Amino acid sequence: EAGVAQSPRYKIIEKRQSVAFWCNPISGHATLYWYQQILGQGPKLLIQFQNNGVVDDSQLPKDRFSAERLKGVDSTLKIQPAKLEDSAVYLCASSLGRQTQETQYFGPGTRLLVL
Amino acid sequence: AQSVAQPEDQVNVAEGNPLTVKCTYSVSGNPYLFWYVQYPNRGLQFLLKYITGDNLVKGSYGFEAEFNKSQTSFHLKKPSALVSDSALYFCAVRVYNQGGKLIFGQGTELSVKP
Repeated sequence: EAGVAQSPRYKIIEKRQSVAFWCNPISGHATLYWYQQILGQGPKLLIQFQNNGVVDDSQLPKDRFSAERLKGVDSTLKIQPAKLEDSAVYLCASSLGRQTQETQYFGPGTRLLVL
Repeated sequence: AQSVAQPEDQVNVAEGNPLTVKCTYSVSGNPYLFWYVQYPNRGLQFLLKYITGDNLVKGSYGFEAEFNKSQTSFHLKKPSALVSDSALYFCAVRVYNQGGKLIFGQGTELSVKP
């Protein structure tokens, strides 16, 4: 089966510009996650969706980050305006459901550089 | 607060030798533990997980991990390392009934030399 798809793979922008990332989860997976991975650190959850509803966005900097999953499938993560510290890899993951034991499967990530 | 520690930033092993990548955790509640591997410019790839039952878990590519509740550890092991095992390894934890997010360690760079 196809894995989690993300685009673009790389993005370079200047600070204060806006950027958007797209994710298509594994077919049939109801739960979708966006993680931020800063160089030298493990990924940190930004937001979790169950179908098209938000389950956890407690770590999302809502003054500049937004995310949506309107039809319960694809998702978009946006940053506006970007700051230098937003330079990171943005990983999308999906799982069949929300059960604690379920495996999260990750996409290849989008590497963002903010100059 | 829930946390995961990987005490070694880098592990160096000769090909054919056994390898161990260490992981300890601190959680309140029953932990569900995961190992992922990350190759350069790629996402995280699932290796194995501990949910319940047998403390020794076997996963992909010959890797295994042992859950030790008293030492709050979940070390990743492989009996004979390959050069192709060289990558970044992440340990992660989820806590039963405490949301879906994975809490990751900072990662351990494994280098296997011929």
